Amino acid sequence: GIQVEQSPPDLILQEGANSTLRCNFSDSVNNLQWFHQNPWGQLINLFYIPSGTKQNGRLSATTVATERYSLLYISSSQTTDSGVYFCAVDEYGNKLVFGAGTILRVKS
Amino acid sequence: EAGVVQSPRYKIIEKKQPVAFWCNPISGHNTLYWYLQNLGQGPELLIRYENEEAVDDSQLPKDRFSAERLKGVDSTLKIQPAELGDSAVYLCASSLQGQETQYFGPGTRLLVL
Repeated sequence: GIQVEQSPPDLILQEGANSTLRCNFSDSVNNLQWFHQNPWGQLINLFYIPSGTKQNGRLSATTVATERYSLLYISSSQTTDSGVYFCAVDEYGNKLVFGAGTILRVKS
Repeated sequence: EAGVVQSPRYKIIEKKQPVAFWCNPISGHNTLYWYLQNLGQGPELLIRYENEEAVDDSQLPKDRFSAERLKGVDSTLKIQPAELGDSAVYLCASSLQGQETQYFGPGTRLLVL
């Protein structure tokens, strides 16, 4: 099956700093989503982005489907950005395969 | 609009006991998913329903796990008997048929002693 690798596994930021999270996947996909899991375990969908670039406030994401990677940018990080960021991909049929996640800690 | 509702939020049981989890998806969402999330890992799909039909249950350990979605709305996931290795978070998600975005519930955290 498709493999999803996320990097870095862990990231510690000072409040106000910017960061880039990466997701590599092993095969062509028709669906790629970024999620944030907050410290209480709630998974929130950030972006549906099988290709191209999207922005939502301080967050933006870019997927280069031909090179099989996606990037999530967090600018001016805040403590509420802490949690785990997951990339999930789907080859076909609404079956999402999640990466292991990037644990982000933002310090005030 | 209410999100995906799951109950209970936490469950502690002894091994070999049965346990059941309940999920109420977002109103109008006909696709429902159950995921398993082990500590330090991403969620893994157990089963996907389109209305009341299970269209993908290839990852569901059918010797001890079962699920149902009567009337195509609420769903229950059952484990009988539970094993120590079943300790994890069980997540329910829903989506509109044909839409890619999945909305997750808060999960049920299971501890098997």
